[in-house]
Amino acid sequence: DGGITQSPKYLFRKEGQNVTLSCEQNLNHDAMYWYRQDPGQGLRLIYYSQIVNDFQKGDIAEGYSVSREKKESFPLTVTSAQKNPTAFYLCASSPRTGISYEQYFGPGTRLTVT
Amino acid sequence: ILNVEQSPQSLHVQEGDSTNFTCSFPSSNFYALHWYRWETAKSPEALFVMTLNGDEKKKGRISATLNTKEGYSYLYIKGSQPEDSATYLCAFIRYNAGNMLTFGGGTRLMVKP
Repeated sequence: DGGITQSPKYLFRKEGQNVTLSCEQNLNHDAMYWYRQDPGQGLRLIYYSQIVNDFQKGDIAEGYSVSREKKESFPLTVTSAQKNPTAFYLCASSPRTGISYEQYFGPGTRLTVT
Repeated sequence: ILNVEQSPQSLHVQEGDSTNFTCSFPSSNFYALHWYRWETAKSPEALFVMTLNGDEKKKGRISATLNTKEGYSYLYIKGSQPEDSATYLCAFIRYNAGNMLTFGGGTRLMVKP
């Protein structure tokens, strides 16, 4: 089945530790995205990548880093510099071209930092 | 930062009621508007992609309209069912922004049997 997988579903870390969230897609999409959701708020874009080996900052990139070494994979690292890392993180992908640009989402990772 | 707003934030209706909610977005530099449904414990899924002023889309009991000149879109659900309970997100794409979506805060719909 084609889709997006994120692992793990729940992640717990101590403050001061970096943590990497996994995102893999087998939809052959060029573009991939990371969003963050906080209670009562909409999805906010952290980073996006239009093509392998290229990525850009979204609206709230501070304290996060990404890599895009393979088309299928777009891992997100939450660094110790991120002041409020506890949140729900969603990964998505879409065709790079095409008028619709509909995005396909993974199931998400809930990160708790204490 | 673009301002995309949804109202109401949450809505409780009885099974069989029809309902609607609003997405407001900048009226300039419009390219596209998406609607997504996000059920609890699942991933958001696209409902509609709307690109033209006056667009009307329909999927079963759910429909949407678009007014790009005044910057709003309505989502309608006719005869709500408990399985319609979800958060409905709209997302705006600005012209020349490629495939960058700016999401509204969502409307959480709860349908009571």
